[in-house]
Amino acid sequence: AQSVSQHNHHVILSEAASLELGCNYSYGGTVNLFWYVQYPGQHLQLLLKYFSGDPLVKGIKGFEAEFIKSKFSFNLRKPSVQWSDTAEYFCAVKSNSGYALNFGKGTSLLVTP
Amino acid sequence: ETGVTQTPRHLVMGMTNKKSLKCEQHLGHNAMYWYKQSAKKPLELMFVYNFKEQTENNSVPSRFSPECPNSSHLFLHLHTLQPEDSALYLCASSQGQRAGLYNEQFFGPGTRLTVL
Repeated sequence: AQSVSQHNHHVILSEAASLELGCNYSYGGTVNLFWYVQYPGQHLQLLLKYFSGDPLVKGIKGFEAEFIKSKFSFNLRKPSVQWSDTAEYFCAVKSNSGYALNFGKGTSLLVTP
Repeated sequence: ETGVTQTPRHLVMGMTNKKSLKCEQHLGHNAMYWYKQSAKKPLELMFVYNFKEQTENNSVPSRFSPECPNSSHLFLHLHTLQPEDSALYLCASSQGQRAGLYNEQFFGPGTRLTVL
């Protein structure tokens, strides 16, 4: 069965610090990879996605993620975080043959001024 | 009203009650989903409807019964629930799904369910 691991459950950073959130998955076939974000009081929304091609994917608000197939990883990065990036971040994986999105447990990011 | 809406936003029910959660999407989508988000657990997919046909049931207990009368509405009927069913229930919608082709899922705000 597929599983998605997010190793950092709670992250606290100061503004302008760099961010990297880890995501690893277990699945041997072709996968689609996603990062979702949930800002306080708002709905889950898509941050970025990887289907194929360039393994470095750029998303909204300056976020990017790199797919490393050999490591089964899809880590999320941002060079300089802002207070408004405070949110919960979810990594998700979908097999190429199914409909289901499998989510990680999420990482809660708090950015302090 | 735009996007995906869910009602009620909060629900408290006893184990013998029967209640329903409602989801409505205003995006012209053809696929709808129910997810369960429990404390300290990942979001779990419960059901998928694709063009009004149920395509996935992730081993969900029969005390949860989905209904999709049309492509804009999705219900989750609840009866004789257990306290461990307390969770946030999220609805999502997307363009109609085909295997191997992903369409972005748009999520509603969720219904916070507490079972006493």
